Amino acid sequence: EVQLVESGGGLAQPGGSLRLPCAASGFSFSNYWMSWVRQAPGKGLEWVANIKQDGGEKYYVDSVKGRFTISRDNAKNLLFLQMNSLRAEDTAVYYCARILEVGATYYFDSWGQGTLVTVSP
Amino acid sequence: DIQMTQFPSSLSASVGDRVTITCQASQDISNHLNWYQQKPGKAPKVLIYDASKLETGVPSRFSGSGSGTDFTFTINNLQPEDIATYYCQKYDNLSWTFGQGTKVELK
Repeated sequence: EVQLVESGGGLAQPGGSLRLPCAASGFSFSNYWMSWVRQAPGKGLEWVANIKQDGGEKYYVDSVKGRFTISRDNAKNLLFLQMNSLRAEDTAVYYCARILEVGATYYFDSWGQGTLVTVSP
Repeated sequence: DIQMTQFPSSLSASVGDRVTITCQASQDISNHLNWYQQKPGKAPKVLIYDASKLETGVPSRFSGSGSGTDFTFTINNLQPEDIATYYCQKYDNLSWTFGQGTKVELK
């Protein structure tokens, strides 16, 4: 069974940093693109970042470029989101998601339960 | 960047009704469009990928159509367990974007 378990959420100060790990199990982690998606309280879903299987390609939503870094440790089946220079508008539940790639088709086929990040003084 | 416009933002329907949600892309995205269902307090779940392909295990009352810039998601014979928020999502190499979401409620 595919499992994605996020942790590391909590309260952070504006301008501060947090690092979110996502532990993957039940599948061959190194074979999949992975992603972070967030959802502000009462709001819609927002894609944050994607990372290729070997970490060689990374893509970000404009609002986090230069502040957030997605990375992975394939030996430990871990996905990370390093969040720096945090702003109030980064307050959200952060989901780790697996991307299923079939030819030219891509979609999120598995999700974690999410971890809440609150940015407040 | 390609923008996605989803509407309506909410709708009320009765059990057994047909529900239709629309998603428009600001540029041609071919069929690179997926649909997700999210229930309160839960992670999203994919229902339709590549605009019209039903994910394994998803009931056949859910369907999708469209290509290019205009896409439609339909629930035939709405069931109580379909009460949720639905999102379209486009993908390409550089960015993945969700629509604003449509909250489906029971009348």
